[in-house]
Amino acid sequence: QVQLVQSGAEVKKPGASVKVSCKASGYPFTDYFLHWVRQAPGQGPEWMGWINPNRGGTNFAQNFQGRVTMTRDTSISTAYLELSRLRSDDTAIYYCVREKSIIEVGTWFDPWGQGTLVTVSS
Amino acid sequence: DIQMTQFPSSLSAFVGDRVTITCRASQSIRSYLNWYHQKPGKAPKLLIYAASRLQSGVPSRFTGSGSGTDFTLTISSLQPEDFGTYYCQQTFSTPPYSFGQGTKLEIK
Repeated sequence: QVQLVQSGAEVKKPGASVKVSCKASGYPFTDYFLHWVRQAPGQGPEWMGWINPNRGGTNFAQNFQGRVTMTRDTSISTAYLELSRLRSDDTAIYYCVREKSIIEVGTWFDPWGQGTLVTVSS
Repeated sequence: DIQMTQFPSSLSAFVGDRVTITCRASQSIRSYLNWYHQKPGKAPKLLIYAASRLQSGVPSRFTGSGSGTDFTLTISSLQPEDFGTYYCQQTFSTPPYSFGQGTKLEIK
């Protein structure tokens, strides 16, 4: 079955960087965009951006421009999110999600990875 | 950016009740609206996509309707496993694919 498995929890100090991985299985990795969504404690999800695993192109939410990098390694069907200059308000669960899209129907996210808790604390 | 507003922000209902959650977009998003369900400590799970299409494996007691700016998610007969938080998401305008703030559903 289609599955996204993420790396484990991280604890970082303010100003540091974090890199989260997302390993895909059960489908052709390069056929579907992957998105990153984060959810701060008690808050709704916040879309961060996407990566096209086929060509490596990316698109980021304006809130994260200049701090976020999304990459992938097609040989191991894995996508990566790197967030730099971490602040305490970056403490959140970070999810990778697969995009499904049909022209003139819509775009939706399914499935979601299990999430990676990133805690930023001095 | 398109803003998504859900209401109510929380509700409590009995097993067997009919429950309706509303989501409003700040501008027309046609039918580019999805619904997700999240249980505590778990990732969100897709329920409805394209406003009214039921995701495979999701019980038929869940229905979505609406287009333009106003959308509803209805649970026809609430079950104990339906507790949690429900989120709407628009995918009409990119970026960003914005989410609503959530509706927390409790079982009485």
